[in-house]
Amino acid sequence: GAGVSQSPSNKVTEKGKDVELRCDPISGHTALYWYRQSLGQGLEFLIYFQGNSAPDKSGLPSDRFSAERTGGSVSTLTIQRTQQEDSAVYLCASSLVALDNSPLHFGNGTRLTVT
Amino acid sequence: EDQVTQSPEALRLQEGESSSLNCSYTVSGLRGLFWYRQDPGKGPEFLFTLYSAGEEKEKERLKATLTKKESFLHITAPKPEDSATYLCAVQETSGSRLTFGEGTQLTVNP
Repeated sequence: GAGVSQSPSNKVTEKGKDVELRCDPISGHTALYWYRQSLGQGLEFLIYFQGNSAPDKSGLPSDRFSAERTGGSVSTLTIQRTQQEDSAVYLCASSLVALDNSPLHFGNGTRLTVT
Repeated sequence: EDQVTQSPEALRLQEGESSSLNCSYTVSGLRGLFWYRQDPGKGPEFLFTLYSAGEEKEKERLKATLTKKESFLHITAPKPEDSATYLCAVQETSGSRLTFGEGTQLTVNP
């Protein structure tokens, strides 16, 4: 079946502009996660959703970052007033349920470049 | 705070030369330890979940083992197509997020 889908695959934006990144999870997966991967770095947790609510948003780096999920499905990560340090690959993952040990299944990410 | 340290950072092997990757972890209570493979330009691909010390899982040329402080990913007679970055992650009993190590970049030369 279809995996996790992310769009766009690449995004180049100017410093100060807002961007929206989209994630379509695997059908039937109730948990959805956002991670960030900078060049040569490990994956950095940003936020996760169980259904439409976000029990843990402690990884969001600043108030310029926000995320929402609607209908228990699609999620968008919004970065306002982008800065060069926001350049990274933003990865989305989904799993059957949060708070159990079902594995996360990742999309191929959105590569964000802030010029 | 959960910590995951992977070693070595990079490993070059000749085809057929077996070796092991290490993942050391610190977590208050382990719900699960996960191994992923990541190819360039792709998202991580799930390989294994290990739940308790002494557990082992195998898939083709890969075998993952778990102790109370570390996990090993053994690669037997690797092939060039095994070249990738291998990521280890832990999930603690009280949370949902996975905490990842920085990975081991494996290169297998023909």
